[in-house]
Amino acid sequence: KAGVTQTPRYLIKTRGQQVTLSCSPISGHRSVSWYQQTPGQGLQFLFEYFSETQRNKGNFPGRFSGRQFSNSRSEMNVSTLELGDSALYLCASSFLAVGDEQFFGPGTRLTVL
Amino acid sequence: GENVEQHPSTLSVQEGDSAVIKCTYSDSASNYFPWYKQELGKRPQLIIDIRSNVGEKKDQRIAVTLNKTAKHFSLHITETQPEDSAVYFCAASIIGGGNKLTFGTGTQLKVEL
Repeated sequence: KAGVTQTPRYLIKTRGQQVTLSCSPISGHRSVSWYQQTPGQGLQFLFEYFSETQRNKGNFPGRFSGRQFSNSRSEMNVSTLELGDSALYLCASSFLAVGDEQFFGPGTRLTVL
Repeated sequence: GENVEQHPSTLSVQEGDSAVIKCTYSDSASNYFPWYKQELGKRPQLIIDIRSNVGEKKDQRIAVTLNKTAKHFSLHITETQPEDSAVYFCAASIIGGGNKLTFGTGTQLKVEL
């Protein structure tokens, strides 16, 4: 079974630009969660999608948004990038909707210059 | 919202010794507690988890204990090996509340020869 995949793996953007990251969950998994990982803040929850609906949202500004498609693939978008958005963005998928093991992807390393 | 504190931030042990990492959580509704291991440059991987209906769970050299009254849970690694060197994250979530994990700040474990 293929694992969670994320594209692109690395991205360099400048302040003010916008970016879209993609996550393909493990086949059959319907829940996709997104996390931001930084040295200072650790792993922070962004949002979770299940069956194309956002179920949970973390404490991030509205510049961070996401969506999920009918095949469970998910995208997250960050608009008006700031230097502080530089981070590793991880997505994780799980089979069940309720407190199930989450399998992480390799992440997308975003650098904002 | 939930807050998870994790200690210590760094831990150095000799090969063969035991290592203990401790976490506390704030939301008494949390009832699912996974532990993730993240090696340098790699994705977090689940190593063990525990639900609030049990007090202890073991898997070979790894064990997790949970004290619901005190809102503490701990990871115990016995007979440590160099390949155990990594960053370990504890997390908490609410079963039924979706797959939103609140992570601790991580513990850098170094196993020295």
